[in-house]
Amino acid sequence: GNSVTQMEGPVTLSEEAFLTINCTYTATGYPSLFWYVQYPGEGLQLLLKATKADDKGSNKGFEATYRKETTSFHLEKGSVQVSDSAVYFCALSDTSGSRLTFGEGTQLTVNP
Amino acid sequence: GAGVSQSPSNKVTEKGKDVELRCDPISGHTALYWYRQSLGQGLEFLIYFQGNSAPDKSGLPSDRFSAERTGGSVSTLTIQRTQQEDSAVYLCASSLGSLRNTIYFGEGSWLTVV
Repeated sequence: GNSVTQMEGPVTLSEEAFLTINCTYTATGYPSLFWYVQYPGEGLQLLLKATKADDKGSNKGFEATYRKETTSFHLEKGSVQVSDSAVYFCALSDTSGSRLTFGEGTQLTVNP
Repeated sequence: GAGVSQSPSNKVTEKGKDVELRCDPISGHTALYWYRQSLGQGLEFLIYFQGNSAPDKSGLPSDRFSAERTGGSVSTLTIQRTQQEDSAVYLCASSLGSLRNTIYFGEGSWLTVV
């Protein structure tokens, strides 16, 4: 079956540091890939997505590239801010489009 | 409202009681999803509705769990004879059509079974 593996957290960085959160997946066919973010006390929000190999999703300074050869979708940001502190979830959709499979989530804390 | 609305936001119930959780999706969204978020289990898919029908309900963990959707809008997730392992945040989401469109999540219903 489909699965998503994220780097274990928590991750603690200083403001303006470079961020990478690793995500790899196992799936049949050609899934779409997503990063969701959950800020404290709020619901899940879509951060970015990519629907085919070599696509790059980007939003709010975050980027992730769909790498089919390495089955990866790593999240990066060049300079994090305190307001980026949240839990980040990598996810994929199956080819039927009926469900998302999520990774375990990575807690990010950014200190001033 | 503008977003996915869920109620109650918090529910404490005694083991063995039945509970109902409600989801009001974004107006016009035909697809509706239920997920469960619990410690140690991450985010688990429960059921997917397209209109009033549920083409994928394979994620429901046992026959104590059921869900329905009426009028292509509001959905209710029912848990019968609750157990302590049912304690979790139950998330509802909706989208136009399918996962090819952006999914919008509600803030969840936090269920505690004591």
